[in-house]
Amino acid sequence: DADVTQTPRNRITKTGKRIMLECSQTKGHDRMYWYRQDPGLGLRLIYYSFDVKDINKGEISDGYSVSRQAQAKFSLSLESAIPNQTALYFCATSDPLAGAAGELFFGEGSRLTVL
Amino acid sequence: QQPVQSPQAVILREGEDAVINCSSSKALYSVHWYRQKHGEAPVFLMILLKGGEQKGHEKISASFNEKKQQSSLYLTASQLSYSGTYFCGSNSGGYQKVTFGTGTKLQVIP
Repeated sequence: DADVTQTPRNRITKTGKRIMLECSQTKGHDRMYWYRQDPGLGLRLIYYSFDVKDINKGEISDGYSVSRQAQAKFSLSLESAIPNQTALYFCATSDPLAGAAGELFFGEGSRLTVL
Repeated sequence: QQPVQSPQAVILREGEDAVINCSSSKALYSVHWYRQKHGEAPVFLMILLKGGEQKGHEKISASFNEKKQQSSLYLTASQLSYSGTYFCGSNSGGYQKVTFGTGTKLQVIP
């Protein structure tokens, strides 16, 4: 089983609908992240959380919200989805004890299409 | 601000070498390198730390020039399995908050 699990893996929805993407991890890491990937734009950070009580906006947080329900769970919500939120979304974790040497461990991605 | 990668794309024949460059406008604590196959998650390759320490892949090498805020990834004797998109990530604050470049698409052909 994957250490970082995202659900759903694929979702097609309509403009205006509320969508939640979920991420759970078994690595025991405090730090979790949500990235968005669009062709030609690389991975852009939406939100990140360094522990359950600490949530921070990334580069492109407008139109998104997050919830850190537990150390192992970090959810991304689109309150009212719009077509330009169509993208591949990745959750990632890192170990704070690794400091600057801490690599990111990615989930398998959630492909979201907004019609 | 995203680091700038070059080239944007490169095609190699098996056995050839390649260099991918990454440049940041901010001072860096560390530089990350990841490879992504189409439709899959990025996979960790290497981290280069301020002060010269490295952690990562045995068969891939990289350099980190702290003064110039630049890093380069060296792929030698390329194999078909090296194909994919390579991303550098800059860590400017030392807090594991990584900002990724737009990627370099590498294709290795027989």
